[in-house]
Amino acid sequence: QKEVEQDPGPLSVPEGAIVSLNCTYSNSAFQYFMWYRQYSRKGPELLMYTYSSGNKEDGRFTAQVDKSSKYISLFIRDSQPSDSATYLCAMTGRIQGAQKLVFGQGTRLTINP
Amino acid sequence: DGGITQSPKYLFRKEGQNVTLSCEQNLNHDAMYWYRQDPGQGLRLIYYSQIVNDFQKGDIAEGYSVSREKKESFPLTVTSAQKNPTAFYLCASSMIGRDRGEKLFFGSGTQLSVL
Repeated sequence: QKEVEQDPGPLSVPEGAIVSLNCTYSNSAFQYFMWYRQYSRKGPELLMYTYSSGNKEDGRFTAQVDKSSKYISLFIRDSQPSDSATYLCAMTGRIQGAQKLVFGQGTRLTINP
Repeated sequence: DGGITQSPKYLFRKEGQNVTLSCEQNLNHDAMYWYRQDPGQGLRLIYYSQIVNDFQKGDIAEGYSVSREKKESFPLTVTSAQKNPTAFYLCASSMIGRDRGEKLFFGSGTQLSVL
């Protein structure tokens, strides 16, 4: 079983739709959760960074963490064509005495005008 | 502007050849990382370094080598021992905080292909 599971998509939605991207994980030692956005042939950029369970909002983006279910989500409201990218979840925690960072495989998202 | 610079953007390797990918950062970050990204896969850690003159193997270090002679620089050499080098290579850096999650800053990547 992979430590982090992310549906690779591709996911295609019309402009203005609400998008939901999700990841599940297996190790409860993960404490910090991130979402990165990666445009084609570019490096990922940090979009959201959360620690505790609950919601964190930044503009049209909301990151949700449910540690009891080992499930994290990223919601995009009023989606725009410029949101078309690959979204990677990532999480980090102290595992077997060392800080470990693990990425999901990424979900490719297309917003159609 | 602070950031991470990777070069070249595209690189071609011939059979049996070693090639070196450059990564420079001016963010004053202590830690630097090299990741490999294959289509449809997440990022896989090759090597990382938390301090000058010290580095650690990641999950897929075989066929790669690194050096960290300066805080700002972390070049990656893809050796001839790496039999499947075609991939998108990403360099990243971060501050180090004890028991805290790292926020990684990435370069723009180098696409390596085999001739």
